[in-house]
Amino acid sequence: GDSVTQMEGPVTLSEEAFLTINCTYTATGYPSLFWYVQYPGEGLQLLLKATKADDKGSNKGFEATYRKETTSFHLEKGSVQVSDSAVYFCALSVSAGGGADGLTFGKGTHLIIQP
Amino acid sequence: DARVTQTPRHKVTEMGQEVTMRCQPILGHNTVFWYRQTMMQGLELLAYFRNRAPLDDSGMPKDRFSAEMPDATLATLKIQPSEPRDSAVYFCASGFLLEQFFGPGTRLTVL
Repeated sequence: GDSVTQMEGPVTLSEEAFLTINCTYTATGYPSLFWYVQYPGEGLQLLLKATKADDKGSNKGFEATYRKETTSFHLEKGSVQVSDSAVYFCALSVSAGGGADGLTFGKGTHLIIQP
Repeated sequence: DARVTQTPRHKVTEMGQEVTMRCQPILGHNTVFWYRQTMMQGLELLAYFRNRAPLDDSGMPKDRFSAEMPDATLATLKIQPSEPRDSAVYFCASGFLLEQFFGPGTRLTVL
């Protein structure tokens, strides 16, 4: 079956540090890849996505590139802020057509940014 | 600002009781999902509907869980009877094309 593996953390960084959260996947079909973010007590919010190989998703200074050859979708940000502290989930979906399909999530990475 | 709404936000119940969770998806979205989040298992897909028809419920324990979508503005997830291992946060999400928008979740505690 489909699966997503990501570093679980917690990952603790100082403000303005460079961030990388690794994510690798296995999928039976050709997946779309996502990063979601969850703030305490809230639901998940889509951070960025990529639908085909070599696509780069970006949003709010975060970036991730769909690497089919290494089955990876690592999340990066050049300079983190305290407000980036949250749990980050890598996810995939293999579309059967007709709309969004169920997501397979990684375990989540708890990111803590210290001032 | 369109949002997915879920009720109740918190529910504490005793083992054996029926629990019903409700979700109002975003108007115009054709797909509705139910996920469960626990510390041990993380986020798991329970079931989802497209155009109100059940598409996949393979993630749901069939003997005690049921999901329905009586109309386009309401999705329900029922647990009967509830057990302590059902304690979790249950998220509803509605989707259009590839994007899914999550509700704030229902935190269920079964004593």
